[in-house]
Amino acid sequence: GAGVSQSPSNKVTEKGKDVELRCDPISGHTALYWYRQSLGQGLEFLIYFQGNSAPDKSGLPSDRFSAERTGGSVSTLTIQRTQQEDSAVYLCASSLAQRGEETQYFGPGTRLLVL
Amino acid sequence: GNSVTQMEGPVTLSEEAFLTINCTYTATGYPSLFWYVQYPGEGLQLLLKATKADDKGSNKGFEATYRKETTSFHLEKGSVQVSDSAVYFCALMVSGGYNKLIFGAGTRLAVHP
Repeated sequence: GAGVSQSPSNKVTEKGKDVELRCDPISGHTALYWYRQSLGQGLEFLIYFQGNSAPDKSGLPSDRFSAERTGGSVSTLTIQRTQQEDSAVYLCASSLAQRGEETQYFGPGTRLLVL
Repeated sequence: GNSVTQMEGPVTLSEEAFLTINCTYTATGYPSLFWYVQYPGEGLQLLLKATKADDKGSNKGFEATYRKETTSFHLEKGSVQVSDSAVYFCALMVSGGYNKLIFGAGTRLAVHP
């Protein structure tokens, strides 16, 4: 497709379970970002990928959160031992990351509910 | 540090009214500034942007001017429509900071016929 896609669109899980969220960026976009949108915290940056490497992981809230990117394309955000405070919408964005063209394009998000 | 402050919502207007949503920022370096919009049930969409001082971004009748002297990027529209009802987010991006976006809290706009 033409835009950023994410799956699943909704995920309900029980506290303590692990979840994996997937992001498919726009083809050719080398930069990929994960953000989280929650009621209490607004929109927060989580992690940034350039190609397959993650030079900025400063937004990951705990070591239960991890992410990887393979082939310079698809990325997976994994949350281990989920907690209720992890409930949020997880957004992925991608960009060309070229000077003068840094605009980030967002996917529709994955709505995570931890019971 | 880098931060964005937006006026709190909700903002409630009648159709054809004038809209202003205030946004101010604090940043090291020279940020690019953005307005994103989130319509009900949809994802974040870029509305407009400005990359340097005195630039004006515009789209769909919305405008915002990058004011370095007042560190502001206020969003304006001369005549709102019901279809403009959404949440609007102001954001900054500092070059050299891996281009991550720092968002304001968002302002909900409700336009009534």
